[in-house]
Amino acid sequence: ETVMTQSPATLSVSPGERATLSCRASQSISSNLAWYQQKPGQAPRLLIYGASTRATGIPARFSGSGSGTEFTLTLSSLQSEDFALYYCQQYNNWYTFGQGTKLEIK
Amino acid sequence: EVQLVESGGGLIQPGGSLRLSCAVSGFTVSDNFMSWVRQAPGKGLECVSVLYTDGTTNYADSVKGRFTISRDKSKNMLYLQMNSLRAEDTAVYHCATIWSGGFDVWGQGTMVTVSS
Repeated sequence: ETVMTQSPATLSVSPGERATLSCRASQSISSNLAWYQQKPGQAPRLLIYGASTRATGIPARFSGSGSGTEFTLTLSSLQSEDFALYYCQQYNNWYTFGQGTKLEIK
Repeated sequence: EVQLVESGGGLIQPGGSLRLSCAVSGFTVSDNFMSWVRQAPGKGLECVSVLYTDGTTNYADSVKGRFTISRDKSKNMLYLQMNSLRAEDTAVYHCATIWSGGFDVWGQGTMVTVSS
């Protein structure tokens, strides 16, 4: 099983600033990685697939990068609605998620 | 409008069975990869089952041999038959489509509680 590890568990950032979230795979997954945003009481929302392709309707301030085992989700100029829980997920070998990073207001 | 609506959750005793349903609208269930993803209270996400367009199915090791995913094209429905339920199966169960590897359309989920 491919284990996904996200860091940090919690990230405190001020509105308007940049946030960088990390995700590491236990083995190479090429670019077979997606990112999600989840708010309390809601289903996750797909943000990024293919490591760097934004899903339909996702603002340009969300960007993804990386390949192999190291991946990054960057949120530039944080808006109030961006503070939420973020998950990475690999689909190279079955489908497994990281444990999540909570992005909170500083 | 593309929409997924789950139903069938509830309180069930350990060892019991439950069938979850997912009503699909806006597209044909057999034209997409479909999945069930669960989230235990306060925990992360786990994909438990996938049904591909060619009818092939796959399951997480944690549910293999106990859960069965299926679809009914005439009703445009997705199902998850869950047998031999355990306390650790307690979770919100979402149906979701898979597009380019990511889970792109989600239902709001149905809660399954396994407890005596």
